[in-house]
Amino acid sequence: ETGVTQSPTHLIKTRGQQVTLRCSSQSGHNTVSWYQQALGQGPQFIFQYYREEENGRGNFPPRFSGLQFPNYSSELNVNALELDDSALYLCASSLGGGAADTQYFGPGTRLTVL
Amino acid sequence: AQSVTQLGSHVSVSEGALVLLRCNYSSSVPPYLFWYVQYPNQGLQLLLKYTSAATLVKGINGFEAEFKKSETSFHLTKPSAHMSDAAEYFCAVSYVGGGADGLTFGKGTHLIIQP
Repeated sequence: ETGVTQSPTHLIKTRGQQVTLRCSSQSGHNTVSWYQQALGQGPQFIFQYYREEENGRGNFPPRFSGLQFPNYSSELNVNALELDDSALYLCASSLGGGAADTQYFGPGTRLTVL
Repeated sequence: AQSVTQLGSHVSVSEGALVLLRCNYSSSVPPYLFWYVQYPNQGLQLLLKYTSAATLVKGINGFEAEFKKSETSFHLTKPSAHMSDAAEYFCAVSYVGGGADGLTFGKGTHLIIQP
């Protein structure tokens, strides 16, 4: 069974640019959630996709957007990058979108905005 | 709104000693509670979760946690610390019907194991 994978591992961008991060779900999982983890902080929920539809969103501006594909892989897109967007971005997949469902996390993508 | 408070950003224990990591939550509806561990440069791994069954939950690597509604707590314990337990630990909460709202995490506790 393949776990959650993310690409790339590291990324360096400059302010104002756009970035796309990718996530492959664990086999059989139809729900993907994205989190932002700033240095020294706990992860913060960005949004969740269930069967290709966004069905929940945290307190993040619209320049954070996403997609989920028919194979349940997912992308996180961030436009107009700001310095504060520098963080570890974590993807998590689960068997369903229920609150009690275990979320399985990938290793993350470290984004640095200069 | 729900929130999680983890008391102590750093906890240091000797190898073989009891590990106690504290977590208090705030939720207006019945919560689901989780403990995750994060090793350096890695993602989060689930240690255990409480989903309204038994209040004492046993997890992996010898960890356990007890849900105490009266104290709004879900502290993580391990009887005997091992060097390999050194990591960042996060408590998280979700709530019944709130699956699409994701997990709310605490700020984390860095566990240091002294030889």
